[in-house]
Amino acid sequence: GAGVSQSPSNKVTEKGKDVELRCDPISGHTALYWYRQSLGQGLEFLIYFQGNSAPDKSGLPSDRFSAERTGGSVSTLTIQRTQQEDSAVYLCASRGGRGSGEQYFGPGTRLTVT
Amino acid sequence: GENVEQHPSTLSVQEGDSAVIKCTYSDSASNYFPWYKQELGKGPQLIIDIRSNVGEKKDQRIAVTLNKTAKHFSLHITETQPEDSAVYFCAASKGSYIPTFGRGTSLIVHP
Repeated sequence: GAGVSQSPSNKVTEKGKDVELRCDPISGHTALYWYRQSLGQGLEFLIYFQGNSAPDKSGLPSDRFSAERTGGSVSTLTIQRTQQEDSAVYLCASRGGRGSGEQYFGPGTRLTVT
Repeated sequence: GENVEQHPSTLSVQEGDSAVIKCTYSDSASNYFPWYKQELGKGPQLIIDIRSNVGEKKDQRIAVTLNKTAKHFSLHITETQPEDSAVYFCAASKGSYIPTFGRGTSLIVHP
């Protein structure tokens, strides 16, 4: 079956512009995560959605970052007024039921802010 | 919150040698420890995981060991092959929820 997909694969934007990154999780997966990976760094947690519960936004670095998950499926990460330090790879992952630990990652969106 | 330290940051071995990557964690309540492999241009992929009720788990050439008392766990790859070259991440979490990742180890296997 299809894995996690993300679009676009690459995004170049000018400082100050808004960007939207999309994630299509594996069908039926109830949990969805967004991470940020800077060059040579580990995975920085951003936000976590689980079913219909309120999302855990504790990893969002500033109020310029927000995310939505519509209908328990597709998710969009929005970065407003982008800054150069926002340049990174943004990874999305989905996970099955609460008893399942494995996260399935998408290929990521490489964001470059010029 | 949880803090995960991973060493080494880079590991270079000859094909056929063994490779060991070590991680420590700080929160004694963490009970799920996955390892991910990330190839260039791709997202991480789970290769093995272990829960706190066991001390060791093996899957062909890879194994993970867990020492709950010392709060550390390790990934062991035997008979390394060039296709094992990648970045490896360890992680720790309570349940399956929000893992804390290590900073990664770049493994280079020389033919």
